[in-house]
Parts: sequence; C-alpha cells; structure tokens
Amino acid sequence: LAKTTQPISMDSYEGQEVNITCSHNNIATNDYITWYQQFPSQGPRFIIQGYKTKVTNEVASLFIPADRKSSTLSLPRVSLSDTAVYYCLVGDSTGGFKTIFGAGTRLFVKA
Amino acid sequence: NAGVMQNPRHLVRRRGQEARLRCSPMKGHSHVYWYRQLPEEGLKFMVYLQKENIIDESGMPKERFSAEFPKEGPSILRIQQVVRGDSAAYFCASSFRRGDQPQHFGDGTRLSIL
Repeated sequence: LAKTTQPISMDSYEGQEVNITCSHNNIATNDYITWYQQFPSQGPRFIIQGYKTKVTNEVASLFIPADRKSSTLSLPRVSLSDTAVYYCLVGDSTGGFKTIFGAGTRLFVKA
Repeated sequence: NAGVMQNPRHLVRRRGQEARLRCSPMKGHSHVYWYRQLPEEGLKFMVYLQKENIIDESGMPKERFSAEFPKEGPSILRIQQVVRGDSAAYFCASSFRRGDQPQHFGDGTRLSIL
C-alpha cells in the first residue's frame, strides 16, 4: 500500500474553504484515493473517493492531478462541526482490506 | 439503524481480566475488520475475518488476542489477561465484498485497564 503524507494540523474559520493536501508519491496504477473523517469518540466516516481528475459530492471535492502523486480534499464553507481528523488513504481492492491509516490531519475550525 | 454496531461502547477491566468486544456488521456484510487506535494516532489494522474464517491476522499481537466471526452472531475480539498497554479504542468495520472501500465503521469500544 502506498504511504501517504498529510499536514499534522490545520486551522480555519467558519465560512472559509479548506484544502487539505495528501502526498502519495508511490501510488500504484490500480490504487484509489479515499478520504475519511473522524470525530472524537466516533469511528471514521467515508467522505469521498477518486481515481483521477476531480470528484465532487454533496460534502466535498477531491482534486487529483494527472500524475496522481498527490490529492487535495476541498471542504467548501466549513462550519464548527467540520472540526475533525481527516485521513487520506491509498490502495486498491486487493490490499484494501488492510486499510492503512496515517496520523491524519487535525482540522480545527474557529468561529 | 443498519450501521455497524459495537458493544459495549466503554469497557473497564482490571489487569489480568478478560475483555470481549463485540461487533455486528452492516446487514448483508460478511467481511469484518478490527482496528486499534491509541490517542492521537491513526487506526492500526489488526485482523480481517470473513464468516467462520480468519483471512488475515497479521496486525494482531501473537499472544492474548484472538478474534472470531461465527456463522451466527457478532464478531468477537477477545483479549485475555489484559495489561495497561491494551487500553485503546477498538474499532470494527465491515464491507460487502473483500477489500471494498469504503469500509463502514462502528463507533468503537473504549477499553480502559485499571
């Protein structure tokens, strides 16, 4: 499984757009990029998944450049309730069951 | 609620006792994964089970830890003779197919060892 590198923490203010970048230089051809969100005392929750270019859902957007060596999770107009840890994972279905979580990015949204 | 259910949510044990953590996967899911999370750290894979089979237990300590997923009933993570270092949050996830992403997580069992 490709190793990922994310910033340890980020601060933002309500209403701002937040972009969290994840580096995965050794991503393999079959690997997908998956982002999870975890609140204190809860399990991780799936946010978004992508393979290339751009993916958007009702919660976030995921931007993946052509070389796929990094990806950026974009959270539009964050609120206080978006304060959480965000994990970037890379893998394919064959090895995906060993989902490897790094330390994640702690996002703190201020009023 | 058809989500992954874990119980108990909090478990307190004294050193030397046994801890049993239960996980009921989402309806229709036959693949279960257990993870351990220490404070300020990411989740660490422990074991992957399919009904009645352990598929991969490479992340599980060799001693005192065991897991099962019987034909009927929840998956059980069992820790014998607990020690202080076993204190952590234990999460269970399930999926419909092997290796599916995303996995669906429960809200964990917080184990505290006195």
